Amino acid sequence: EVQLVESGGGLVKPGGSLRLSCAASGFTFSSYSMNWVRQAPGKGLEWVSSISSSSSYIYYADSVKGRFTISRDNAKNSLYLQMNSLRAEDTAVYYCARSLGSRAADAFDIWGQGTMVTVSS
Amino acid sequence: SYVLTQPPSVSVAPGKTARITCGGNNIGSKSVHWYQQKPGQAPVLVIYYDSDRPSGIPERFSGSNSGNTATLTISRVEAGDEADYYCQVWDSSSDREVFGTGTKVTVL
Repeated sequence: EVQLVESGGGLVKPGGSLRLSCAASGFTFSSYSMNWVRQAPGKGLEWVSSISSSSSYIYYADSVKGRFTISRDNAKNSLYLQMNSLRAEDTAVYYCARSLGSRAADAFDIWGQGTMVTVSS
Repeated sequence: SYVLTQPPSVSVAPGKTARITCGGNNIGSKSVHWYQQKPGQAPVLVIYYDSDRPSGIPERFSGSNSGNTATLTISRVEAGDEADYYCQVWDSSSDREVFGTGTKVTVL
C-alpha cells in the first residue's frame, strides 16, 4: 500500500525549531518529487516547499524562505522539513504529499494524514 | 504573485450538478489540479491536468480549463460529495505552487 506518514509535530515557542519527517512506503520513493503543504486551523491549503527526486530542484514559498529547509534521504525513503525561527503564523497541520511525477507542474496524488505544529509561548 | 480565486461556497441539491470555478490570469495556459478535502481528513486528488481523473474517482467528477477560468463539475451530486474543494497550479514565472482559496460545497 502506498503510504506517507508524517511525524515530528508538536508545541514549540516562537523563535524555536522543529524538524518534521515523512516516511514513505509502497512505492519507489527516489523516483518522485515530494512536497510539504500546510493548513492553518480553519484556513485553506498553503504550499510550503517542493524537492525534486534527486534534490536537484528545491522551491519554497516566500513565507518560509530562509527559515525552512526541505531535504530528503532516498536511501531511507524519507522526506524532511527543518523549521527554524518559528512564528505563531506557522501554526498549522503540515502535510507531506507526493507529486504525480517528476515535473514541477505535476499534481499531488498521495497525501499523508498530517502532523500538527503549534507555535505558542 | 499568481492568485487563484474561488467562490467561498456552492450549494446544490442531491442529483443536480455543482460547478466550482477557479479564476486566474490566463489560467487556460496552465495545468490545473483539483482536490477534495472532507473535515478532519487529508486532501484527495480528484482531477489533474485540467480534466484527467485518478483511478477510483467517479466519472461524475470532470474538469475544464479555458481563458481565465477553470471549472470542476460534479454531476449527480451525492451527500458524500459535501467537502471543501481546492484548485492548484504551478506558476512557472515565480517557481511557486499556488492553491486556490477553496470552495465549500454544501449538499442541500
